[in-house]
Amino acid sequence: NAGVTQTPKFQVLKTGQSMTLQCAQDMNHNSMYWYRQDPGMGLRLIYYSASEGTTDKGEVPNGYNVSRLNKREFSLRLESAAPSQTSVYFCASSERGQGEQYFGPGTRLTVT
Amino acid sequence: RKEVEQDPGPFNVPEGATVAFNCTYSNSASQSFFWYRQDCRKEPKLLMSVYSSGNEDGRFTAQLNRASQYISLLIRDSKLSDSATYLCAVNKGTTDSWGKLQFGAGTQVVVTP
Repeated sequence: NAGVTQTPKFQVLKTGQSMTLQCAQDMNHNSMYWYRQDPGMGLRLIYYSASEGTTDKGEVPNGYNVSRLNKREFSLRLESAAPSQTSVYFCASSERGQGEQYFGPGTRLTVT
Repeated sequence: RKEVEQDPGPFNVPEGATVAFNCTYSNSASQSFFWYRQDCRKEPKLLMSVYSSGNEDGRFTAQLNRASQYISLLIRDSKLSDSATYLCAVNKGTTDSWGKLQFGAGTQVVVTP
């Protein structure tokens, strides 16, 4: 079992460029999440998907969009990257809403 | 006030010693509590869930104090490999916060030989 996988592992973008971060899970989990982690800030929820076909905003959704492509895959898109979006992005999944979450290895994004 | 707060540390612990640290949360309706371990430049990994009655997993013991609204993690017989940042996570427990875990910023533990 791979668990939660994310691509790419590293990315450097110029301000204004766009990109999509991919996430997939093979645990048959219903719920998936996107977080960003910045030094001293902890993990902050960007968007989540309670189940296939639904998405909702988290704590810091501005500048991002998401797509729950199917039960396995949940992507995060930056339409016009800004330096403030430099961060480490983690995808996570859980079987049920209030249960434990399992994280992917992360994507380190730098926007110059 | 942050919804979930942790002492950032670092807690410098001699190998073999015991270390304990807390995580306070502000929402009394919180239902689910977890401890995660995060190594440098890695993803958080679930260490243990925290149950009302407290629970133990080997050298790790987690406790929940609802009256004072905090959870704790105690590590006995510390190993060098226990050096990491420990994140607590709390579910708000309200209908409009479904699935939203609030994470603390983490407590750094450094175990020294």
